[in-house]
Amino acid sequence: DTEVTQTPKHLVMGMTNKKSLKCEQHMGHRAMYWYKQKAKKPPELMFVYSYEKLSINESVPSRFSPECPNSSLLNLHLHALQPEDSALYLCASSQDRGTAGNTIYFGEGSWLTVV
Amino acid sequence: AQRVTQPEKLLSVFKGAPVELKCNYSYSGSPELFWYVQYSRQRLQLLLRHISRESIKGFTADLNKGETSFHLKKPFAQEEDSAMYYCALLQGGDTGGFKTIFGAGTRLFVKA
Repeated sequence: DTEVTQTPKHLVMGMTNKKSLKCEQHMGHRAMYWYKQKAKKPPELMFVYSYEKLSINESVPSRFSPECPNSSLLNLHLHALQPEDSALYLCASSQDRGTAGNTIYFGEGSWLTVV
Repeated sequence: AQRVTQPEKLLSVFKGAPVELKCNYSYSGSPELFWYVQYSRQRLQLLLRHISRESIKGFTADLNKGETSFHLKKPFAQEEDSAMYYCALLQGGDTGGFKTIFGAGTRLFVKA
């Protein structure tokens, strides 16, 4: 299995809702990432988990809460989002060796619309 | 500051013509650079990485530390090369972990 799988593919939520995005990989990767991508823009890093511990938080607002229950799963909990948070949320994973090219494998993304 | 610059938002070439997508970087250490590609309706995926010195789908990229560049080249463009191309830089985080920073991207359009 060489894929990163994200669910749901599409999500519409109100500003008072609580929802979660889920991500799964079975490649034995020990680093997992959340990126946010707006239309016609590059992916912007949000969080990095390394060996199930949060290692990088790119000053993301607290209404986004990541969780890594185990080495294969990564969640992004959403609460009290704003319309400007509407975007494609990409999950990714890598071997996290930091050498020989730390290739990122991306999921297809979850399209989030906040109304 | 660490930065990846792709000066061209759009590059349009004819089929069979050479293509070069430019990438410049700013990094204080020894850089690890990549090209990622996103074809229409597909996920973002690795095209090639400088450390492997490989040619993928006819594309090559050479790291030039003097010019701080990592331009992507192909001698004869094909229509199926039409896609969004991102140059990316791997860097270590301040508190551990590694992160990949992406340039703004260049959309390549290969005309028949």
